[in-house]
Amino acid sequence: AQSVTQPDIHITVSEGASLELRCNYSYGATPYLFWYVQSPGQGLQLLLKYFSGDTLVQGIKGFEAEFKRSQSSFNLRKPSVHWSDAAEYFCAVGAQGTDKLIFGTGTRLQVFP
Amino acid sequence: GAGVSQTPSNKVTEKGKYVELRCDPISGHTALYWYRQSLGQGPEFLIYFQGTGAADDSGLPNDRFFAVRPEGSVSTLKIQRTERGDSAMYLCASSLGGRGYTFGSGTRLTVV
Repeated sequence: AQSVTQPDIHITVSEGASLELRCNYSYGATPYLFWYVQSPGQGLQLLLKYFSGDTLVQGIKGFEAEFKRSQSSFNLRKPSVHWSDAAEYFCAVGAQGTDKLIFGTGTRLQVFP
Repeated sequence: GAGVSQTPSNKVTEKGKYVELRCDPISGHTALYWYRQSLGQGPEFLIYFQGTGAADDSGLPNDRFFAVRPEGSVSTLKIQRTERGDSAMYLCASSLGGRGYTFGSGTRLTVV
């Protein structure tokens, strides 16, 4: 069965610092992978997605993620965090042939000035 | 419309009552999804429509939950005999066929 693990429940960084949010998945074949961001009380916004091809994916708001098959990981990165990046971040995996997504439990990002 | 619209944004109901949550997808999107997000958790899949039919309803927790999409556009999630455990954010999303969809802002349901 597919699953997603986000090991870090809460991360705090200073504004301008670099960021890496971890995501590990479990799936037998090549998955579809996604990162979403959610501000308090809001829906989810798609940051980026990976289906195939280049393993380094660029997204919106300066985010990128790298698919590493050997590590079953899809970590999200940003070189310089802005205060407006404070939010909840969710990694999700989808199986080929289905449109259902399995989400991780999320990582809450706090940014200090 | 420009985005996925969900109404109401907030709903407070008494235990045992019936509620309906509405989702208006992006115009032309054939696929529509419902997810439920409990506090501190990621969204959990409930049901997926392709056109008017439910292609996968494996996530509906029990027979108190039902969803329809009669004309292949607007969808309604219906919950009968609500319980306090049904309190959550209910999220709707739409797409042209998988591969990353657009979520609405959700309906926060509180059962008191």
